[in-house]
Amino acid sequence: NAGVMQNPRHLVRRRGQEARLRCSPMKGHSHVYWYRQLPEEGLKFMVYLQKENIIDESGMPKERFSAEFPKEGPSILRIQQVVRGDSAAYFCASSPPRAVPYNEQFFGPGTRLTVL
Amino acid sequence: AQTVTQSQPEMSVQEAETVTLSCTYDTSENNYYLFWYKQPPSRQMILVIRQEAYKQQNATENRFSVNFQKAAKSFSLKISDSQLGDTAMYFCAFRDGNQFYFGTGTSLTVIP
Repeated sequence: NAGVMQNPRHLVRRRGQEARLRCSPMKGHSHVYWYRQLPEEGLKFMVYLQKENIIDESGMPKERFSAEFPKEGPSILRIQQVVRGDSAAYFCASSPPRAVPYNEQFFGPGTRLTVL
Repeated sequence: AQTVTQSQPEMSVQEAETVTLSCTYDTSENNYYLFWYKQPPSRQMILVIRQEAYKQQNATENRFSVNFQKAAKSFSLKISDSQLGDTAMYFCAFRDGNQFYFGTGTSLTVIP
């Protein structure tokens, strides 16, 4: 069973461009979470999605950021008109349905976004 | 609001010795989950150990164990017989509902 997959692992964008980060959850997992890790900091929650639904986006910046988890395909975190402050590592995590004990989240390897 | 505090930004330990990383949290919930994650230089987040708040028995996973003090809202991680591969950032995390809340991390270096 493959783990959580994220691509690309490294992404370089110039200011004003768009960044698209992809996350494929573990097989059988229907819940996806996105986190941002700034240098020297812990992970900060951004958004929680289930298939075709955004459940909790309380950690998502109101502008330029959006996320989706379509019925088919990976979850996408999209950042429009990137700025230097968006440079960070973006982690995706997935979990099985809530009935499973612990509700553990399994993390992907992250995407390191660098904005020039 | 939920908060997680790790008061030790950096720690070091001699190989084969024991080290304890501290973590405190704040919540008004009664049942929740606590985790320690390890982030080596590869930056992959790896689950080390987990604890449910309603379980009084401290969790143990091989060389890793926790000291969970619910009343004090404390959740420390003890690493016994430290190995060079334990060198990493360690994050304490609290789960309440949908969200995980992470501390700022403790950078642990195991010295040969």
